Amino acid sequence: QVQVVESGGGVVQPGRSLRLSCAASGFTFSIYGMHWVRQAPGKGLEWVAVISYDGSNKYYADSVKGRFTISRDNSKNTLYLQVNSLRAEDTAVYYCAKDRGGYCSSTSCHRGFDYWGQGTLVTVSS
Amino acid sequence: QSVLTQPPSVSAAPGQKVTISCSGSSSNIGNNYVSWYQQLPGTAPKLLIYDNNKRPSGIPDRISGSKSGTSATLGITGLQTGDEADYYCGTWDSSLSVGVFGGGTKLTVL
Repeated sequence: QVQVVESGGGVVQPGRSLRLSCAASGFTFSIYGMHWVRQAPGKGLEWVAVISYDGSNKYYADSVKGRFTISRDNSKNTLYLQVNSLRAEDTAVYYCAKDRGGYCSSTSCHRGFDYWGQGTLVTVSS
Repeated sequence: QSVLTQPPSVSAAPGQKVTISCSGSSSNIGNNYVSWYQQLPGTAPKLLIYDNNKRPSGIPDRISGSKSGTSATLGITGLQTGDEADYYCGTWDSSLSVGVFGGGTKLTVL
């Protein structure tokens, strides 16, 4: 069955970095777009970033642009999120989500997130 | 402040029907597909509706979605206590080139 499993979260000091990973199985990873979505404690969902099926297109929320980098390794069925210059407001559960589509452009990059991981908690605190 | 606007809360009695609205603009809902998600307490979101009105396999037909212009609506009939959850709409914003969610609506089944 389809599974996406995040890892890499933890407690980190402001200004430091982390790399989140998302291991995918049960589907052909290389033909689907993948997203990161986060949820701060007690808050709603916030879209973070997306990468197209082949890694050629990437888009970011303004709140993370320049600090976060999304990438993927289709040979390992794994999605990554490099998070740098962390701030207190980045504290959240980070979810990896599979898009129903693969193609992604600046005008259309979301066909519904049909599978989500259980999330990995990132806490930014001194 | 979310790009998409949802009511913070809705409520209805068991067996009744409820609708949740999601309002946006021409750059997001008006020109892109809308999805709806259910998030039960302490769990990851779950896809309920994609492409405005399609249900994934396993989602009962008492769940429905619609879109008109720059607004979308989620409908749930035959409410059950197990439907108590937070509900989110989501889509793409073509002008900003970002994904967007509504602020979420908490459904209470009285």
